[in-house]
Amino acid sequence: LAKTTQPISMDSYEGQEVNITCSHNNIATNDYITWYQQFPSQGPRFIIQGYKTKVTNEVASLFIPADRKSSTLSLPRVSLSDTAVYYCLVGDRGYGGSQGNLIFGKGTKLSVKP
Amino acid sequence: EPEVTQTPSHQVTQMGQEVILRCVPISNHLYFYWYRQILGQKVEFLVSFYNNEISEKSEIFDDQFSVERPDGSNFTLKIRSTKLEDSAMYFCASSELPSQGGAGDTQYFGPGTRLTVL
Repeated sequence: LAKTTQPISMDSYEGQEVNITCSHNNIATNDYITWYQQFPSQGPRFIIQGYKTKVTNEVASLFIPADRKSSTLSLPRVSLSDTAVYYCLVGDRGYGGSQGNLIFGKGTKLSVKP
Repeated sequence: EPEVTQTPSHQVTQMGQEVILRCVPISNHLYFYWYRQILGQKVEFLVSFYNNEISEKSEIFDDQFSVERPDGSNFTLKIRSTKLEDSAMYFCASSELPSQGGAGDTQYFGPGTRLTVL
């Protein structure tokens, strides 16, 4: 199971682009990289998933270099409502567990200021 | 957009009492999960459930815990004799497909039940 390392916290201002990098040096060939978002007192919410290169959806972009030992979640033009904890998950079944259970780390606490 | 619902939103109980936390997964989903999050700590996996049986469980999910799908819509977590350290947010999640050697499938989480054991 690939271990992930991400910053404990980040600060940003409204309108800025935020990039959160996750290190996963021991990522395996079949592993996918998935990001979840969690607001206070709410359940985690899927943001984006990728295997290599770049993935973009209506919420974020995910950049994965060729060696796949890291990944960067990019949030364009953040607003106050993007203040949340962001989790990077890596696993051979997309998440980490043998039956699909998610293995969460401590995540990155993003604070967006006005 | 379909969503996972959980009841109650907050449950207060006395130590040693039994509690049942309820979840209604998304209707066409087949895989169900319970997670918990102690205040200020990580989200922790408890158990996964498919085809009316437990698929996997963590070390946290000891004999005090049980899960059940009593009908076609509800998925419950029972804690038989609550302890102070069971105080946490409990999240139910569901997914349509199993994780299959690669992409996996998105898990959708409910809003959680805050359990307070006094």
